[in-house]
Amino acid sequence: DAGVIQSPRHEVTEMGQEVTLRCKPISGHNSLFWYRQTMMRGLELLIYFNNNVPIDDSGMPEDRFSAKMPNASFSTLKIQPSEPRDSAVYFCASRGYGNQPQHFGDGTRLSIL
Amino acid sequence: SQQGEEDPQALSIQEGENATMNCSYKTSINNLQWYRQNSGRGLVHLILIRSNEREKHSGRLRVTLDTSKKSSSLLITASRAADTASYFCATDGAGNQFYFGTGTSLTVIP
Repeated sequence: DAGVIQSPRHEVTEMGQEVTLRCKPISGHNSLFWYRQTMMRGLELLIYFNNNVPIDDSGMPEDRFSAKMPNASFSTLKIQPSEPRDSAVYFCASRGYGNQPQHFGDGTRLSIL
Repeated sequence: SQQGEEDPQALSIQEGENATMNCSYKTSINNLQWYRQNSGRGLVHLILIRSNEREKHSGRLRVTLDTSKKSSSLLITASRAADTASYFCATDGAGNQFYFGTGTSLTVIP
């Protein structure tokens, strides 16, 4: 079991640039979650998908953020244009059917200069 | 908004002592889960307790749940330096509403 795989692990870019974060969930899991973690706000749920369909995106901060899940094995979180306040660690998690625990990737540490 | 809040925010103990962390939440839940996060890593699931359970054990971990008070506690017995991490509770409610608390930072001093 390879676990949830996120890429890149680190991203440093200048404000205004487009940022794309990638996630490969655990095979067979049907739910996928994107979180953002900062010291000030803790762990925030941005969006989650069930069977590749976005269910709740109320946590997405603003229109600059978008997420897609084109198939069961891949999801992206895009920020365009990026701003310094978007700097955070972004986590992807997946889980199987029912009230199962979530499995987290190791995150992408994003720094917007 | 976040559902759960942990207490205390930070805890420092000597190796061998017990560590207790508390979590309070606001709405009805299906289950409550505890996770651990080591520095620079993702969260790792520790234990799940269902809404109809009051206590659960797993190794050195003991979790209690009081749905009338909307609270849970995590006890780590005979702590080790390797237990140093942040611990989060997460509530799993109706409609796949899943919220993490603010976390407790535990430091175990060798």
